[in-house]
Amino acid sequence: AQTVTQSQPEMSVQEAETVTLSCTYDTSESDYYLFWYKQPPSRQMILVIRQEAYKQQNATENRFSVNFQKAAKSFSLKISDSQLGDAAMYFCAVQGGSEKLVFGKGTKLTVNP
Amino acid sequence: DTGVSQNPRHKITKRGQNVTFRCDPISEHNRLYWYRQTLGQGPEFLTYFQNEAQLEKSRLLSDRFSAERPKGSFSTLEIQRTEQGDSAMYLCASSADSGGPQHFGDGTRLSIL
Repeated sequence: AQTVTQSQPEMSVQEAETVTLSCTYDTSESDYYLFWYKQPPSRQMILVIRQEAYKQQNATENRFSVNFQKAAKSFSLKISDSQLGDAAMYFCAVQGGSEKLVFGKGTKLTVNP
Repeated sequence: DTGVSQNPRHKITKRGQNVTFRCDPISEHNRLYWYRQTLGQGPEFLTYFQNEAQLEKSRLLSDRFSAERPKGSFSTLEIQRTEQGDSAMYLCASSADSGGPQHFGDGTRLSIL
């Protein structure tokens, strides 16, 4: 069974600062994918970033980047130059061996002006 | 690309009643997923379709739950004899290929009185 652990239930950051959200996972699959999704209050889940496990290079999407440590099974998300619109629940997820995504419990990010 | 559409947005029903939700995926996506999300938790996988074939079902999908995707386009999720524990947000997602990003709809929030 695959598991995802997000150890920070809540995080806060000042606008324009940088914040890192933690995620560790466990899977027995050799080929898998990792994702970060954002869920603003009462709004739909939006894909933030995707990492293919066989790629060593860390994925980046504009202000969002990941630190993928395969041996440690760690997949943290760094948000640079935080904006008020970044406030949301952030979910880490793994997909491997089947089509389903397995999600963590999420981290609530607050951005302070 | 109009995104994943789910109807209704909210459903309030009495315990013991049957409910049906509909999901229209992104038109060119052949993969369709149902998830359930309760308050304070990440989404949990329910079932997955590739075209019209239901290829994976979670243990969470009890005999009271049935999902269909008759023509490989839209999908329905029916819950028979609803129980209090069925209260949750039901999310639908679609993707174009294996390991590809899953795009989520706004969800259907089910409340059982």
